[in-house]
Amino acid sequence: GENVEQHPSTLSVQEGDSAVIKCTYSDSASNYFPWYKQELGKGPQLIIDIRSNVGEKKDQRIAVTLNKTAKHFSLHITETQPEDSAVYFCAASNAAGNKLTFGGGTRVLVKP
Amino acid sequence: DGGITQSPKYLFRKEGQNVTLSCEQNLNHDAMYWYRQDPGQGLRLIYYSQIVNDFQKGDIAEGYSVSREKKESFPLTVTSAQKNPTAFYLCASRRVIDYGYTFGSGTRLTVV
Repeated sequence: GENVEQHPSTLSVQEGDSAVIKCTYSDSASNYFPWYKQELGKGPQLIIDIRSNVGEKKDQRIAVTLNKTAKHFSLHITETQPEDSAVYFCAASNAAGNKLTFGGGTRVLVKP
Repeated sequence: DGGITQSPKYLFRKEGQNVTLSCEQNLNHDAMYWYRQDPGQGLRLIYYSQIVNDFQKGDIAEGYSVSREKKESFPLTVTSAQKNPTAFYLCASRRVIDYGYTFGSGTRLTVV
């Protein structure tokens, strides 16, 4: 089955700096890669996603890049703000699109 | 407003007792999922269902059971056979034609 590795497990950045989280996946047939943000005591919320036919996608301060050949994808948050502090999860969908496998999560702390 | 409702938010049970977690959605989504989240770990798939009266085991189904008698509802029973049931349980749903999941706010189960 699919295996998703996520790094780093914790990330501390100064407000205004950029944050980068990286994930690798094992199944070359995976074709959908979402990123979720989870605040304390809540369920994850989708913040951005990318499909395998696209190399990069941007939405305001967040962007995701995908390298299919290397089987890795990354989340970039620019101009970080205290409200960006949360746990972020990457995930990869199987080829049928009916199951997501999640990475282990990255706890991001933005220091004011 | 459409969404997924998980209840209760906190649940305490004695060891050896079965307990059922509720998940209801009014999004008219076809597929529903149960994930388990442990501290410092990613989300692990317990069971999923793509249509009424059908469901499949995920990666960690042992000690759990589900039913899908209605499109809107996907309850999870944590049985006494689950060796370490204390965890945060998340329910999710999606339309079959979409890839993105919508998560509930979770149920924190503590077994004492």
